[in-house]
Amino acid sequence: GENVEQHPSTLSVQEGDSAVIKCTYSDSASNYFPWYKQELGKRPQLIIDIRSNVGEKKDQRIAVTLNKTAKHFSLHITETQPEDSAVYFCAAISNSGYALNFGKGTSLLVTP
Amino acid sequence: DAGVIQSPRHEVTEMGQEVTLRCKPISGHNSLFWYRQTMMRGLELLIYFNNNVPIDDSGMPEDRFSAKMPNASFSTLKIQPSEPRDSAVYFCASSPRLAGSRDTQYFGPGTRLTVL
Repeated sequence: GENVEQHPSTLSVQEGDSAVIKCTYSDSASNYFPWYKQELGKRPQLIIDIRSNVGEKKDQRIAVTLNKTAKHFSLHITETQPEDSAVYFCAAISNSGYALNFGKGTSLLVTP
Repeated sequence: DAGVIQSPRHEVTEMGQEVTLRCKPISGHNSLFWYRQTMMRGLELLIYFNNNVPIDDSGMPEDRFSAKMPNASFSTLKIQPSEPRDSAVYFCASSPRLAGSRDTQYFGPGTRLTVL
């Protein structure tokens, strides 16, 4: 089955700096890669996703890049703000499957 | 759109008691997932339904856990008897699961279960 590794487990940045979270996956058939943000005590919420037919996707301050050859994908947050502080999860799903396999999460802290 | 609805939001029970968690998926979504989240194990898929039919329950920890989806708008996850190690946040998620693609899963607010 799919195995998703996520790094780092914790990340602290100053407001205005960029944050990068990286994930690797094992199943070369994986073709859908969502990122979820989970605030304390809340549900995971999708913030951006990418499919395997593109290499990069942007949505305002958030971007995701995908390297299919190396089997890794990354979340980039620019101009971070304190409200970006949360746990971020990457996930992968293969065309032969249906379940999202989640990384262990990255706890991002943005300090003013 | 009300989103995925779960009840109760919090449940505190004693070991050995039966616990029933409820979920209403987003209208029109034909796939439903139950996840469990703990600090140690992260987010784990317990069971997946497609068109009300259980497709994969390999994530259900043991026979004490059971899930049903009697119709497109309702699902239950039951634990009987409950044990302290079942304490976790249980999320329900739904997806439109369009043919030929894998779509976004939308999570409910979760049920925080504490078994004493």
